[in-house]
Amino acid sequence: DGGITQSPKYLFRKEGQNVTLSCEQNLNHDAMYWYRQDPGQGLRLIYYSQIVNDFQKGDIAEGYSVSREKKESFPLTVTSAQKNPTAFYLCASSHRVHSNQPQHFGDGTRLSIL
Amino acid sequence: AQTVTQSQPEMSVQEAETVTLSCTYDTSESDYYLFWYKQPPSRQMILVIRQEAYKQQNATENRFSVNFQKAAKSFSLKISDSQLGDAAMYFCASFTGNQFYFGTGTSLTVIP
Repeated sequence: DGGITQSPKYLFRKEGQNVTLSCEQNLNHDAMYWYRQDPGQGLRLIYYSQIVNDFQKGDIAEGYSVSREKKESFPLTVTSAQKNPTAFYLCASSHRVHSNQPQHFGDGTRLSIL
Repeated sequence: AQTVTQSQPEMSVQEAETVTLSCTYDTSESDYYLFWYKQPPSRQMILVIRQEAYKQQNATENRFSVNFQKAAKSFSLKISDSQLGDAAMYFCASFTGNQFYFGTGTSLTVIP
């Protein structure tokens, strides 16, 4: 079955450490997205990519970095510059960016600080 | 800035009864799309229903229907014959200005 796979499900970060969240999709979607979800807040866009080797900052990109070396993969790195990284992170994909087609979401990764 | 507002952080409904979740949005665009997503405890976001703003007819998907009031910028979700499996967080979202915007969510509890 086609879908989006995020790993790991739970991740812990030490102070000053960079961590990378994985997102893989086999839906043949061009566009991929990373959202951050905090209690009491809606999903906030971190980064998005509409094609391989291209990505754009979303509303809260500071302290995060991404890469898009393959169509299927869009990993997110939470750097030590992100001072409040504890959150639930959702990866999504759609046929095209800037499209009204609904996004498909992964199961999410919960990141916590040790 | 585009905003999507869900004024009900929590709602509850008796099994087999009907519940309506509220959503209002703010956009100056004439062409936009509205969505309701469901996020169960498993945390995977699932599309429930979608409405094109240019369509006057309210979208319906089985037990789920919307009440789209374009002038009032309101997009409520009605769940009929509520089931235990409907318990989840529900997010209202708009696609406008080439970007998705999500509300803060409504947590729905279904009481057996």
